[in-house]
Amino acid sequence: AQTVTQSQPEMSVQEAETVTLSCTYDTSESDYYLFWYKQPPSRQMILVIRQEAYKQQNATENRFSVNFQKAAKSFSLKISDSQLGDAAMYFCAYRASGNTPLVFGKGTRLSVIA
Amino acid sequence: EAQVTQNPRYLITVTGKKLTVTCSQNMNHEYMSWYRQDPGLGLRQIYYSMNVEVTDKGDVPEGYKVSRKEKRNFPLILESPSPNQTSLYFCASSIRPSTDTQYFGPGTRLTVL
Repeated sequence: AQTVTQSQPEMSVQEAETVTLSCTYDTSESDYYLFWYKQPPSRQMILVIRQEAYKQQNATENRFSVNFQKAAKSFSLKISDSQLGDAAMYFCAYRASGNTPLVFGKGTRLSVIA
Repeated sequence: EAQVTQNPRYLITVTGKKLTVTCSQNMNHEYMSWYRQDPGLGLRQIYYSMNVEVTDKGDVPEGYKVSRKEKRNFPLILESPSPNQTSLYFCASSIRPSTDTQYFGPGTRLTVL
């Protein structure tokens, strides 16, 4: 079964600095999708960024970017110019193609220090 | 506004009293899913539905039922709730199950006493 591991239960970053959240996954599939979701105190799940495994180029969304290393099965999230509003729980998630469930990691709680 | 709605947002109930958490999406999505979120465990899938009248078990289906009679609605039913079902529940939908982003509802905090 596929698993997603987030090895950092908690992280902190100074406002305006850069932070990287780690995620590794285990799969034997070649075609799959990876996601980072943000869960602020409101508890809503918000999609931050998405990566298709067949694309070599790393996805970028404004201040958020990923470092996708397919061979290493690694999918880290980099947040640049951190803002107070970035404080949240961040979940890494994996889904293979076809009729398969979305598998989540256990999350990393990010604190942003003013 | 495209959205997934859940009701109720908060519910406190007692063991054994049947309850239903509703989920509705207005995006004409075929795929809908229910997750539960527990501290230290992340989100785990309970049930999912590929389309109307098609439902399948996820990772933790025990104690739950679902139905998909209409495309937009996917209620979660707890026939006889127990304290171990105290959790935060999310409904989600997407156009297709694997390639598309899932849109999550706001969550339902359920407490079973």
